[in-house]
Amino acid sequence: GAVVSQHPSRVICKSGTSVKIECRSLDFQATTMFWYRQFPKQSLMLMATSNEGSKATYEQGVEKDKFLINHASLTLSTLTVTSAHPEDSSFYICSARLTSGRDQETQYFGPGTRLLVL
Amino acid sequence: DQQVKQNSPSLSVQEGRISILNCDYTNSMFDYFLWYKKYPAEGPTFLISISSIKDKNEDGRFTVFLNKSAKHLSLHIVPSQPGDSAVYFCAASARGTYKYIFGTGTRLKVLA
Repeated sequence: GAVVSQHPSRVICKSGTSVKIECRSLDFQATTMFWYRQFPKQSLMLMATSNEGSKATYEQGVEKDKFLINHASLTLSTLTVTSAHPEDSSFYICSARLTSGRDQETQYFGPGTRLLVL
Repeated sequence: DQQVKQNSPSLSVQEGRISILNCDYTNSMFDYFLWYKKYPAEGPTFLISISSIKDKNEDGRFTVFLNKSAKHLSLHIVPSQPGDSAVYFCAASARGTYKYIFGTGTRLKVLA
């Protein structure tokens, strides 16, 4: 159980275009999902917390107008990188936590999306 | 300001021996800690967690120890297997925030 999927797994786009990444919890409901990014050989940095039915909460330094997050249902959150630039190239990973049960503190991660902006 | 640190970027261990990965934190509000295993270009896989009310949690070959006074936790893997070779991240959270702060990772290589 607790499987999280991401789509696409990798995407290459031209500078200036927008890219949407989907994160789905496959076998559980997730009130809260999280978006991270990881640069090569670095740690995972939390970008934002995505709450179903409400606005996302962004971490300091993350531009909310550039990284649009929508959490339309209990199983789906999307991250849209708007007007992508080469410096946005990174590995984006989502996670979800269980809505109920005793394991609500544990986040389950998706496989990640590699974004390359040319 | 790195609130969660893994001071060893890499570790090599012989198959069958114990692997010990260390993690230090600075924020006294953290009260829930986790270890994840990660392969390149994949998402982290949850291994084991520990709440601050405990000082040890065991799951099969994996044991996590927490020393609150030293703000230090460690992951013991015994016996180590070649399939354990990966990057290991510790993460810390203040209960109720559900937000993780990750360490910088330790690359473990288990030699056959």
